[in-house]
Amino acid sequence: DAGVIQSPRHEVTEMGQEVTLRCKPISGHDYLFWYRQTMMRGLELLIYFNNNVPIDDSGMPEDRFSAKMPNASFSTLKIQPSEPRDSAVYFCASSEQGAGTDTQYFGPGTRLTVL
Amino acid sequence: DAKTTQPPSMDCAEGRAANLPCNHSTISGNEYVYWYRQIHSQGPQYIIHGLKNNETNEMASLIITEDRKSSTLILPHATLRDTAVYYCIVRVRAGANSKLTFGKGITLSVRP
Repeated sequence: DAGVIQSPRHEVTEMGQEVTLRCKPISGHDYLFWYRQTMMRGLELLIYFNNNVPIDDSGMPEDRFSAKMPNASFSTLKIQPSEPRDSAVYFCASSEQGAGTDTQYFGPGTRLTVL
Repeated sequence: DAKTTQPPSMDCAEGRAANLPCNHSTISGNEYVYWYRQIHSQGPQYIIHGLKNNETNEMASLIITEDRKSSTLILPHATLRDTAVYYCIVRVRAGANSKLTFGKGITLSVRP
């Protein structure tokens, strides 16, 4: 298995631009998580989905952030408009329920820089 | 979820055992202890978890005290590749995929 795939790996954009981060979870996993990591705030959960349905989006910082999961193999995290304080590494993770384990498998992350 | 307390950093010599402590004095009866680690510039990686019995897998051992208020992650023969931030997390498993709340973790430096 290729593991969780994220794209792009690096994104540099200017303030005010729209940014879209993409994630392909591990096949067969029914949970998908979006995290953000900064030096100041550490690793924070933004939102997670179960069977493509958002379950908890309480970590989404504000309305500029939105996440979708149109099918079991794809999710996006969109920031519109982007701001310099959004600069961070964004991780996607997936897991499978009911297999005797709920281990979350993380992708390599997308490093976002907003100028 | 209960909170955990870890020292900010520790080091150990390559080939020796690394014992990483974690305090979770307010842990509830249905909460598990999980350990993840994050090697520089990579996503976090699951290591091990347990409820009250000691656990061992190919990566590490987890020792949980009888009162469950603290635990120790043991890397039996640390290598340079084990240098990472190690996160101790307590959480329920009801619903299987409740949140993982990451604290600051402990930075382990393995020296040659």
